[in-house]
Amino acid sequence: KNQVEQSPQSLIILEGKNCTLQCNYTVSPFSNLRWYKQDTGRGPVSLTIMTFSENTKSNGRYTATLDADTKQSSLHITASQLSDSASYICVVSAQAGNMLTFGGGTRLMVKP
Amino acid sequence: GAVVSQHPSWVICKSGTSVKIECRSLDFQATTMFWYRQFPKQSLMLMATSNEGSKATYEQGVEKDKFLINHASLTLSTLTVTSAHPEDSSFYICSARAVQGSRSNQPQHFGDGTRLSIL
Repeated sequence: KNQVEQSPQSLIILEGKNCTLQCNYTVSPFSNLRWYKQDTGRGPVSLTIMTFSENTKSNGRYTATLDADTKQSSLHITASQLSDSASYICVVSAQAGNMLTFGGGTRLMVKP
Repeated sequence: GAVVSQHPSWVICKSGTSVKIECRSLDFQATTMFWYRQFPKQSLMLMATSNEGSKATYEQGVEKDKFLINHASLTLSTLTVTSAHPEDSSFYICSARAVQGSRSNQPQHFGDGTRLSIL
């Protein structure tokens, strides 16, 4: 069964600090992995996408890593801002199909 | 970038009412659109896959007569919640995928969701 697990479920950090969110998956055959940011009451917005051969991808203060051998990914947020408060969802796509497997998300709160 | 518009963003109505939610891809054509449901503090759950010009494919446990999906054009899909009841209250999100390219590598672009509250 394809699964995506994220940790921690929730996280509170102070503004300006860094944090790292984790994603473990068992989706097979693997096609790509995306990190989405979902603000409260809004739809998810894509931050990064990585395929099998990519180890790291950056988007501003967001850096995602992928280890296809251990089936793990991380999202590192540098110098956090209040606007980073949101849910971060790891989504893994299997090859040749519509199927996306969603992680449960990490709810991040950045406090001043 | 690709934009998906969802309307309405919020609706409150009485029990027994049918509610229609629209999902439009504004600057690209989408043969496939997806409808998700999200409960508070939970991730998205796929309800159905909507294919232009054909019947939608529903996930297990989703009543097709309850959640009517129409995908009449490459830029519009609608979800109608028929005879809505309080337990149907939720956040409904659509997404659309562009026509060209490998299916698995084409990103899904999400709408901003519709918050449905049934009294």
